[in-house]
Amino acid sequence: DVKVTQSSRYLVKRTGEKVFLECVQDMDHENMFWYRQDPGLGLRLIYFSYDVKMKEKGDIPEGYSVSREKKERFSLILESASTNQTSMYLCASSFGTGTGFYEQYFGPGTRLTVT
Amino acid sequence: KNEVEQSPQNLTAQEGEFITINCSYSVGISALHWLQQHPGGGIVSLFMLSSGKKKHGRLIATINIQEKHSSLHITASHPRDSAVYICAVSSLPRVEHNAGNMLTFGGGTRLMVKP
Repeated sequence: DVKVTQSSRYLVKRTGEKVFLECVQDMDHENMFWYRQDPGLGLRLIYFSYDVKMKEKGDIPEGYSVSREKKERFSLILESASTNQTSMYLCASSFGTGTGFYEQYFGPGTRLTVT
Repeated sequence: KNEVEQSPQNLTAQEGEFITINCSYSVGISALHWLQQHPGGGIVSLFMLSSGKKKHGRLIATINIQEKHSSLHITASHPRDSAVYICAVSSLPRVEHNAGNMLTFGGGTRLMVKP
């Protein structure tokens, strides 16, 4: 079975802190994604990566950066956490070469609270 | 107007009822996905389809490409089906790399099945 793991299920940070959210997948997937999920707004894409060291901005990249140094690991970084970044963060991965379309596999999510 | 619209937003059913959740989209797509999210956050992919109909157990998903509409049906519903059901579409791939796996999500349908 494909497994996508996230470093924490719950995280509480203070305003201004630098926050790292880690995601690891074990299926050699090319694509990895970071989403945030908020009530009434659904899932929104923050960043995605289609290869090591490659990244693309999603719909809401402001206030976030990402790092993909190894194929299996995709990190989301909040450079200076703010209260409006309190949310559920979900990582996902998928195969993705050529012009095919593939199922995405999601991690369990990290509920981040910024106080 | 959102690119992916789901209806209804909330649905309460009695155990055993036949349930239909609808999804309409306004963009060109490679595929449509139905996802299930249980309380606690984890998201599971139920179906990925680009035409016709797929069935898995008591779940059936259909898509009409011409009408840009999909339905998820649950037969003989059970309280364990209670979850949020999310429709998402894979965009048409961009030229520079395979972004066909980027998903655009509907707002979700919260289903509660009462015993």
